[in-house]
Amino acid sequence: DIQMTQSPSSLSASVGDRVTITCRASQGISNYLAWYQQKPGKVPKLLINAASTLQSGVPSRFSGSGSGTDFTLTISSLQPEDVAIYYCQKYNSAPLTFGGGTKVEIK
Amino acid sequence: EVHLLESEGGLVQPGGSLRLSCAASGFTFSNYAMNWVRQAPGKGLEWVSSISSDSSDTTYYADSVKGRFTISRDNSKNTLYLQMNSLRAEDTAVYYCAKARSASYNSALNYWGQGTLVTVSS
Repeated sequence: DIQMTQSPSSLSASVGDRVTITCRASQGISNYLAWYQQKPGKVPKLLINAASTLQSGVPSRFSGSGSGTDFTLTISSLQPEDVAIYYCQKYNSAPLTFGGGTKVEIK
Repeated sequence: EVHLLESEGGLVQPGGSLRLSCAASGFTFSNYAMNWVRQAPGKGLEWVSSISSDSSDTTYYADSVKGRFTISRDNSKNTLYLQMNSLRAEDTAVYYCAKARSASYNSALNYWGQGTLVTVSS
């Protein structure tokens, strides 16, 4: 099965900083990659699908890129409301594996 | 507005069974694949199972639940199910029902229920 590895597992950044989270697949998955945001005590929310397509209503400071095995989620200017755990997920074929998550905090 | 409401979970003894249901509204349920995702306390997300929206309702399972869990759907009732048998302590988690973006199971999950806690313990 394809493994999904996220890095870092946690980060602390200042408001306004540019934040980048990486997700690496152990085999190529084309662009079948989604990013989710889970705020403390809340349900996961889809931010990006197809590696780079922003969901309706998601702030434009979020962006995704990559194809094949290496993907990134970027927050161009970190805001206090972005404190959350971010997960990538591959969905090219079963199992639809999630990455381990990246916890984003404000410094 | 899309709404997914899981049934109440609960406390189950190891080796026991439980059936979860997820009542869907706000979209044409029969046109979309559906999923179950779980999250153990303090842990990350784990995909559990998917069911497509084709004529055969093809199902897919994580290795960790294969042979013990069964996903199914009743399009006439707009309801998704997860029958969980031979439950283990490691099955303790919040179980989320999630809608796929398309009829195919290999889609991102664009709507999630609030989740229901299943605790497996003696």
